Amino acid sequence: NAGVTQTPKFRVLKTGQSMTLLCAQDMNHEYMYWYRQDPGMGLRLIHYSVGEGTTAKGEVPDGYNVSRLKKQNFLLGLESAAPSQTSVYFCASSPVQQETQYFGPGTRLLVL
Amino acid sequence: RKEVEQDPGPFNVPEGATVAFNCTYSNSASQSFFWYRQDCRKEPKLLMSVYSSGNEDGRFTAQLNRASQYISLLIRDSKLSDSATYLCVVTRGYKLSFGAGTTVTVRA
Repeated sequence: NAGVTQTPKFRVLKTGQSMTLLCAQDMNHEYMYWYRQDPGMGLRLIHYSVGEGTTAKGEVPDGYNVSRLKKQNFLLGLESAAPSQTSVYFCASSPVQQETQYFGPGTRLLVL
Repeated sequence: RKEVEQDPGPFNVPEGATVAFNCTYSNSASQSFFWYRQDCRKEPKLLMSVYSSGNEDGRFTAQLNRASQYISLLIRDSKLSDSATYLCVVTRGYKLSFGAGTTVTVRA
């Protein structure tokens, strides 16, 4: 039982490049979330999903897109990376709303 | 105003000491409350939920004051392994709001 996994662990991009971050969970959770964490700001919700095939915007969605084609996977895309998107990205899942969220180990992204 | 505010610390305490810190939240409609722990460069992990009547989990005690809109965490008999950043989390509907964290360093 791996819990929540994230790929890749670390990535360096040039401004304007695109990439996809993959989140996978094996706990059969309905809810999945993408956050970014920046120094002094706490985690901020980018997008979330309440079930397979559904996505919704969070607090800071601009510049990101997501897809949840399978219940266990939640993908976060950056179409044209900007230096302001340099951050640590965490994926999380929970069985139901407001229950404990289980986090992946994070992806460190540096945009030059 | 941020939805959740925490004293960033750091709180630097000797082993065996008691340390306590608060978190304030701005939205009175907030529904659930949690403390998460985050070690350096790692993912956040649930430490404990916070209930209206207050609750303990071993050396950790959490309190909720809805009237004044704050929650607190107290750590008794601090261990070196308690060194971490403690995140206050408040929920409303689907939304979890995280504080920026309070850093605790326990020294030998």
